[in-house]
Amino acid sequence: AQKVTQAQTEISVVEKEDVTLDCVYETRDTTYYLFWYKQPPSGELVFLIRRNSFDEQNEISGRYSWNFQKSTSSFNFTITASQVVDSAVYFCALSAINSGNTPLVFGKGTRLSVIA
Amino acid sequence: GAGVSQSPRYKVAKRGQDVALRCDPISGHVSLFWYQQALGQGPEFLTYFQNEAQLDKSGLPSDRFFAERPEGSVSTLKIQRTQQEDSAVYLCASSWEPGTGSLWDKNIQYFGAGTRLSVL
Repeated sequence: AQKVTQAQTEISVVEKEDVTLDCVYETRDTTYYLFWYKQPPSGELVFLIRRNSFDEQNEISGRYSWNFQKSTSSFNFTITASQVVDSAVYFCALSAINSGNTPLVFGKGTRLSVIA
Repeated sequence: GAGVSQSPRYKVAKRGQDVALRCDPISGHVSLFWYQQALGQGPEFLTYFQNEAQLDKSGLPSDRFFAERPEGSVSTLKIQRTQQEDSAVYLCASSWEPGTGSLWDKNIQYFGAGTRLSVL
């Protein structure tokens, strides 16, 4: 069975602080995808990143960076110099890699509040 | 281009009523998913279509839930005899099928804003 755990329910930071959102996953699959999505108050889930399990290279995109460590089954997300617009609920998700599309298994999300 | 569109955005139903929720996927996306998101929780998988074929409905919570996608584009999620526990946000997502379209987009699901269902 697949499972995603986001232990941090809510985080509050002051603008310009760095913040890391934790994600730990469980899967029996040897290959899989990991994702991060952002859900602003409007409700739409916005895709941020997808990583393949066989590619552990960390990734940076602007103020966002992701640290994938297969040894600890973690895929953490860091926002540098946070801004008020980063306030949202962030979800980590996992899916198998099959010949067809497969459903996403989500964590419960971390609500990030950035205070001006 | 246009994203995934869902309607209505909000639906209030009396317990026992039937409801129908609509999803318009991104044009050209052959895969379509429905998820249910309870308050304060992550989305949970309900069902999956590839074109008009419903390939996986293992997440549907009861036989009161029914989904269709007759022409392989628009999908409708129907809930019969709604119960209070059906209150949730229902999210639709679409994606390319691997082997078609952009390799970058492979297996990436793009979501709509959801329909918030409240059963009184």
